[in-house]
Amino acid sequence: NAGVTQTPKFQVLKTGQSMTLQCAQDMNHNSMYWYRQDPGMGLRLIYYSASEGTTDKGEVPNGYNVSRLNKREFSLRLESAAPSQTSVYFCASRDHYEQYFGPGTRLTVT
Amino acid sequence: QKEVEQNSGPLSVPEGAIASLNCTYSDRGSQSFFWYRQYSGKSPELIMSIYSNGDKEDGRFTAQLNKASQYVSLLIRDSQPSDSATYLCAVRYGGATNKLIFGTGTLLAVQP
Repeated sequence: NAGVTQTPKFQVLKTGQSMTLQCAQDMNHNSMYWYRQDPGMGLRLIYYSASEGTTDKGEVPNGYNVSRLNKREFSLRLESAAPSQTSVYFCASRDHYEQYFGPGTRLTVT
Repeated sequence: QKEVEQNSGPLSVPEGAIASLNCTYSDRGSQSFFWYRQYSGKSPELIMSIYSNGDKEDGRFTAQLNKASQYVSLLIRDSQPSDSATYLCAVRYGGATNKLIFGTGTLLAVQP
């Protein structure tokens, strides 16, 4: 039981490049979340998916898109990366009220 | 604007002492409260959840909730150097969507 997994662990992009961050969970949870964490800002919700086939915006959705591919997988896409998107990205899934986090992706946009 | 406030620290305590971490929140309707531990360079790890007023104990950890004062705290007894980490307070809002608002965290340093 791997819990929540994320790929890649590290990524460096140039401004304007695109990429997709992958997240998968094997806990049969319905709800999944994408957060970013920046120094002094705490964790902020980008997008979430309450169940397979549904997605909704969180606090900071601009510049991102998401896909809930199936119950296990929830991906985050940056279409045209900007330096302001340099951050650590965490995926989480939820069991009842409790959220469990993946190991994170450290993204740098130059 | 729903907010969760924590003192950023660092909170420095000697080994074996009680560490007390505090959190206040703005949304009076919040019902669920969580403490996460985050080691440097790692992901947040859920260590305590509390849903009703009073104390909840789990090993060396005690979470305390006072909804009237909109205050939640985490006590760590017999603090160990391995407890040195950032502790994040999170509050659930948003009904069925179960969105969490996180505080910016308190850095705890346990001195050997």
